[in-house]
Amino acid sequence: SQTIHQWPATLVQPVGSPLSLECTVEGTSNPNLYWYRQAAGRGLQLLFYSVGIGQISSEVPQNLSASRPQDRQFILSSKKLLLSDSGFYLCAWSAGTSGTSALYEQYFGPGTRLTVT
Amino acid sequence: AQTVTQSQPEMSVQEAETVTLSCTYDTSESNYYLFWYKQPPSRQMILVIRQEAYKQQNATENRFSVNFQKAAKSFSLKISDSQLGDTAMYFCAFMKLPRILNYGQNFVFGPGTRLSVLP
Repeated sequence: SQTIHQWPATLVQPVGSPLSLECTVEGTSNPNLYWYRQAAGRGLQLLFYSVGIGQISSEVPQNLSASRPQDRQFILSSKKLLLSDSGFYLCAWSAGTSGTSALYEQYFGPGTRLTVT
Repeated sequence: AQTVTQSQPEMSVQEAETVTLSCTYDTSESNYYLFWYKQPPSRQMILVIRQEAYKQQNATENRFSVNFQKAAKSFSLKISDSQLGDTAMYFCAFMKLPRILNYGQNFVFGPGTRLSVLP
């Protein structure tokens, strides 16, 4: 079965410090990968998605970047954190498109709570 | 652009009762999928149910069922025999079918409804 991991689970970082959040998926190959941010008590905002190694699409302009160095690894980074980067970050995966409905579902990791102080 | 609206920020229901969460969406697409996700206090997002827009039959998963009204662009979730473990944030999500193979599936999530099941 497929599993998705995220670490760290929680992180407290000062303003201006760098950030690296990691997401890995097991049990599948060539997944589509996604980074979302969830502000307190609010819905999910898609930040980045990737359909393959080195292929990153950004949905919103921001202080963050993403990379996909390996097929099942997705990294969210920042060179200098802002207070507004605080939030709950979720990684998700879905299988590549093939025509059957089950491939369109997204499966989420446990998330990382980031607090920028 | 697609938008998803959940007009009930918070709801509560007595254990064993039935509750319906509403969701409306706005799209000009004809081929799309709709989902309900549950986020309990652990914050793990869990898929509850999905509905393909081309299917007229409403999806059901055990105690969870949907009322999909395509013309009205409405997609409500009914939870029967509510249990304490159903306490969670519930998110409605829209996904249009990608036209390009292996294109990322962009979900649009609603703001969520916080459901509390009371003993």
